Parts: sequence; C-alpha cells; structure tokens
Amino acid sequence: EVLLVESGGGLVQPGGSLRLSCAASGFSFSSSWMTWVRQTPGKGLEWVANMNPDGSGKYYADSVKGRFTISRDNARNSVSLQMNSLRAEDTALYYCARDGVPGARDHWGQGTLVTVSS
Amino acid sequence: QSALTQPPSASGSPGQSVTISCIGTRSDLGTSNYVSWYQQHPGKAPKLMIYEVTKRPSGVPDRFSGSKSGNTASLTVSGLQAEDEADYYCCSHGGRDNYIFGGGTKLTVL
Repeated sequence: EVLLVESGGGLVQPGGSLRLSCAASGFSFSSSWMTWVRQTPGKGLEWVANMNPDGSGKYYADSVKGRFTISRDNARNSVSLQMNSLRAEDTALYYCARDGVPGARDHWGQGTLVTVSS
Repeated sequence: QSALTQPPSASGSPGQSVTISCIGTRSDLGTSNYVSWYQQHPGKAPKLMIYEVTKRPSGVPDRFSGSKSGNTASLTVSGLQAEDEADYYCCSHGGRDNYIFGGGTKLTVL
C-alpha cells in the first residue's frame, strides 16, 4: 500500500522558516517524481513544486520560487520542502503527492498545516 | 500564469449526467495532454479520477470520463450517485515545467 505521511507544519511568524517532510512507503520511491501541493483553507489547490527521481530536476511555482526548496533522500524514502521568507499568503495545508502516472498525482498524503501569522 | 477556470458549482439529480468544464489557454490546456481531474470530499485529500485527458486509474468507476477540445477540458459524471457529491479540480501542465490547477467546482447531487 502506498503511504505518504507529511510532518513539520506549525505556526511561524512572517519572514520565518519551516521545513516540511514527507515519509514515503509502499512503492519504489527512487523511481518516482514527487510533488508538493498546497490548499488554502476553504479554497482551491495550488501546485507548489516537484522533483524528478534522481533529484537533478526541481521545478517551482512562481509564487514560491527563490523562497522554497524541494529536496529528497532516496535512501530514506523522503522528500522535503524548505520554506524560507514565509508570508501570510503561504498559510495552507501542504500535501505531498506521488506523480505515479504521466502528468498527475495518483497518491496523496493527508497534509500538514502551515500557519504564517504574528 | 492564472488558474484554470472552472464553474464554482454544478448539480444534478441521481442518475443524471453532469459535465464540468475547465478553461485554459493555448499555452497550457491547448497544448498539453497532461490534463487530470481530482475529486475531494470535505476534510479528505484529493483523489485522482482522470489523467492524460481521458484515462481512469484503477478503481475509478467508468461513470467518470474526461475529454478535451482546444483550450477546454471537461469531466463528465454519468449516472450520478450521492457519493459523487464533492469538489472537483482540473489540472494541466503549464508549459513552463509547472502545473496549474483550476479553482474547483462543487458538485451537488440533488
């Protein structure tokens, strides 16, 4: 069974940093693209970033480029999202997802909540 | 790039068919076959329903179907059932190594 478990969310002040992690199991992690997607409370989904299997390709939404960094550890089956210079508009539920079929996320975690507020 | 455009709401009676549209531009939906649809029930994570415009993952009922014409993609739910009531989001490759979601459509089964 594919399982994705996010952690690391919490309350942080504007300008602060937070590191999210996603532990993966039940599939060949080192062969999979991995993605972070966020959802503002009560609103829609926003693609944040993704990374190719060997970590050589990292891609970001314009809204987070230069502030967020996606990384992965294939030995530990985990993907992370380092978030710096956080803003109020980054407040959201952050999902980790596997891109298990071409161009789509076929498995999702339950999300970790990030709140940016003073 | 702006979010793809979806109607905020759609509805139908049990057994009926409903189609949800997703409008983009020539640079995203117009040129990408990486179009997917997600179902989200309240308090739950999204679930993939359609990928590559028309393909259904294993376990998704064939009542769900996808299509695309030009800059517009569509999700059709046939034979509506009560459990189909949820939010639905479209997503497309954006053409710049990114993906774009639609704003979501709340489907109500009357």
